[in-house]
Amino acid sequence: QKEVEKDPGPLSVPEGAIVSLNCTYSNSAFQYFMWYRQYSRKGPELLMYTYSSGNKEDGRFTAQVDKSSKYISLFIRDSQPSDSATYLCAMSDSGGSNYKLTFGKGTLLTVNP
Amino acid sequence: ETGVTQTPRHLVMGMTNKKSLKCEQHLGHNAMYWYKQSAKKPLELMFVYSLEERVENNSVPSRFSPECPNSSHLFLHLHTLQPEDSALYLCASSQDLIGGDKQFFGPGTRLTVL
Repeated sequence: QKEVEKDPGPLSVPEGAIVSLNCTYSNSAFQYFMWYRQYSRKGPELLMYTYSSGNKEDGRFTAQVDKSSKYISLFIRDSQPSDSATYLCAMSDSGGSNYKLTFGKGTLLTVNP
Repeated sequence: ETGVTQTPRHLVMGMTNKKSLKCEQHLGHNAMYWYKQSAKKPLELMFVYSLEERVENNSVPSRFSPECPNSSHLFLHLHTLQPEDSALYLCASSQDLIGGDKQFFGPGTRLTVL
């Protein structure tokens, strides 16, 4: 079983839409959850970082972690064409190799003006 | 220069060539990583260094040889590669190898093996 699954993509939305990106995972030991944004021909950029369950908000971005369902989400409000990128979820556990990040495959988001 | 830089940004090589990828981090971090990103696959961790000591070799073929001369520089030496090694190679760094340390990525080297 794959450790991290993402909901099917790619995703195309009109400017101003609310975007929801999700990943499910199977390893209950995961404690640290991240979302990276990767523009075309660039490296991943850390966008959101959360520890354990709960919500975190940063401007138009909200990250949610539901450990009971093994499900994490990234919401983008008032989406802009500049949000067009691939979004990668990543997570790690609190064990001895907790520097190892497990990534999802990524969702390509296109925001159309 | 700020953050994590990588050179070259693009590389085309034949299967018999030898080349090297270079990564430099300007963040004062102690840990550095090499990742491989192939189309439609998740990022794959290749190597991890902490204070110039290799702590992880994630079953990577010997045609990839990492080198970390100091905590700011990381190299990936390539020889006799295969076409399936064509991918984006990403370098990352973190403050230490502590749980939850945030990893910061460079822009990557797009490698094409002919």
